[in-house]
Amino acid sequence: KNQVEQSPQSLIILEGKNCTLQCNYTVSPFSNLRWYKQDTGRGPVSLTIMTFSENTKSNGRYTATLDADTKQSSLHITASQLSDSASYICVVRLNTGGFKTIFGAGTRLFVKA
Amino acid sequence: DSGVTQTPKHLITATGQRVTLRCSPRSGDLSVYWYQQSLDQGLQFLIQYYNGEERAKGNILERFSAQQFPDLHSELNLSSLELGDSALYFCASSPRGLTQETQYFGPGTRLLVL
Repeated sequence: KNQVEQSPQSLIILEGKNCTLQCNYTVSPFSNLRWYKQDTGRGPVSLTIMTFSENTKSNGRYTATLDADTKQSSLHITASQLSDSASYICVVRLNTGGFKTIFGAGTRLFVKA
Repeated sequence: DSGVTQTPKHLITATGQRVTLRCSPRSGDLSVYWYQQSLDQGLQFLIQYYNGEERAKGNILERFSAQQFPDLHSELNLSSLELGDSALYFCASSPRGLTQETQYFGPGTRLLVL
């Protein structure tokens, strides 16, 4: 069964600290993996998109990694800021003829001053 | 601001009714996507259009339909509404609807069915 699981469900960190969010997937055939940031009540914003051959991709203080062998991805946030408080959603797209997309439930990050 | 606009922002209606949600993509984007986000099911892909034609279907109910017009704006029609249809509905757009393209999401329409 195609699934995307994210951990932890929620996380509280102090401003300035680093954190890592995890995404494990059992999706096949794999096309790409995306990380989105979603502020409460707003639309998701794309952070990174990675294909099978990419191991690491950065977007400012956000760095995503992908291990296609173990089907794991992580999103590392460096020097967190209060504005990083949001939900982070991992999304995996299948390499099929349609637009089969599996969404993770998200990790809710709270950054405290 | 992503450049994608959605109207209305909020919508309150009753069970059994029909509503239309509207989306205008970013300037130059030919592909539009619709998503539903509910508390219990998270984000789900509903349907994709490219240059007026349906390109892909996801978990869209038969009571729901969509279309993309020649000016590239799109409408999502929800009929025979049920309480469970209460959710945030997002529209996203991308230039050519290709697999690796970034999708830009609108602010969403919050639908409440009473």
